[in-house]
Amino acid sequence: SQKIEQNSEALNIQEGKTATLTCNYTNYSPAYLQWYRQDPGRGPVFLLLIRENEKEKRKERLKVTFDTTLKQSLFHITASQPADSATYLCALVSQAGTALIFGKGTTLSVSS
Amino acid sequence: NAGVTQTPKFRILKIGQSMTLQCTQDMNHNYMYWYRQDPGMGLKLIYYSVGAGITDKGEVPNGYNVSRSTTEDFPLRLELAAPSQTSVYFCASSSPGLAGVETQYFGPGTRLLVL
Repeated sequence: SQKIEQNSEALNIQEGKTATLTCNYTNYSPAYLQWYRQDPGRGPVFLLLIRENEKEKRKERLKVTFDTTLKQSLFHITASQPADSATYLCALVSQAGTALIFGKGTTLSVSS
Repeated sequence: NAGVTQTPKFRILKIGQSMTLQCTQDMNHNYMYWYRQDPGMGLKLIYYSVGAGITDKGEVPNGYNVSRSTTEDFPLRLELAAPSQTSVYFCASSSPGLAGVETQYFGPGTRLLVL
């Protein structure tokens, strides 16, 4: 079955540094992969979608890469701020195309 | 647009009681989902629906039931509440893209405590 893993449960960095989060998947080649942000007590919010034929995608201070050979996506936040502190979830579309499979998430803490 | 709304926000149930978690979306999305989220365990799919009258099981359907009579509403029913169903429940909706479901929009969640 499809499996998705986010390597770190928690990541602590200083303000201004670049945060890099990792998402790995196995047993499947998804057409695209998504990243969501979740704040405590709230539902996840969509951030970025990257397709299998895209190597990299950017949105403001966010950058996502998708390496289908390594079966890995990297999520970068440049010039990080305390307001970026949240849990970030990686998700890939199921083989049937009707649902998303989510990783457990990585909790990012940015200290000033 | 209100997006995805869920009621109630919080509920305490006794073991064996039943309840319905309500979910409504106003974006005319065909696809709707119910997830549960336990601490450190990520989102687990309970049930989903690709349109009115069509539902299917997800990863953890036992102890739950759903129905989808309209595009807007997707209620989740717990018939005999058990302590293992203590969790935060999220409803989500989306539209299908070219390669399958794309952006999901989540509700604010319902926190359920079964004692």
